[in-house]
Amino acid sequence: ELKVEQNPLFLSMQEGKNYTIYCNYSTTSDRLYWYRQDPGKSLESLFVLLSNGAVKQEGRLMASLDTKARLSTLHITAAVHDLSATYFCAVDMVGGADGLTFGKGTHLIIQP
Amino acid sequence: DGGITQSPKYLFRKEGQNVTLSCEQNLNHDAMYWYRQDPGQGLRLIYYSQIVNDFQKGDIAEGYSVSREKKESFPLTVTSAQKNPTAFYLCASSATAYYEQYFGPGTRLTVT
Repeated sequence: ELKVEQNPLFLSMQEGKNYTIYCNYSTTSDRLYWYRQDPGKSLESLFVLLSNGAVKQEGRLMASLDTKARLSTLHITAAVHDLSATYFCAVDMVGGADGLTFGKGTHLIIQP
Repeated sequence: DGGITQSPKYLFRKEGQNVTLSCEQNLNHDAMYWYRQDPGQGLRLIYYSQIVNDFQKGDIAEGYSVSREKKESFPLTVTSAQKNPTAFYLCASSATAYYEQYFGPGTRLTVT
């Protein structure tokens, strides 16, 4: 059974600071997704990481994937209030037919 | 505009009643998925369909049923057998299985 663990589950940080969210998963996979969810809203796709060593950046967010360590990170640089949201990582099972397995999410609050 | 629509946005039902949630997509995607989200939790897979007239159970299919008679539609019925149906339900689609999933706006179901 595939398990996905995120940490921390809750993070309060100040604007301007840097921080990293971690996503560990338990079985072989080579596709990892990061989503953002605002309160009461659906999920917005942020990054799709398809291979070992993949790194993608969009604005102040950067995601990376290490398939050997079964670890992905989402790094926030010089945080701003607008990045306050819940961030989920999700993993495809190898074979890919079973839908995504999600972590519990990291609730991020960025304070001025 | 291409996208995924879910209706209604909010749904209230009495315990013991079946209720059907609508999901329609005009992205010409083959694969469609239903997820459930409980407060403070990640998403869990209920059912998925890779092709018309075929669907598979996900991790928490008990008390739910689906149909896939048309490529663009994947309705979910929450039956009276579902013990704790109050949740946020999200529909997703992807071009094929094992491709990036796009999410609809969700339906918030409350059963009292």
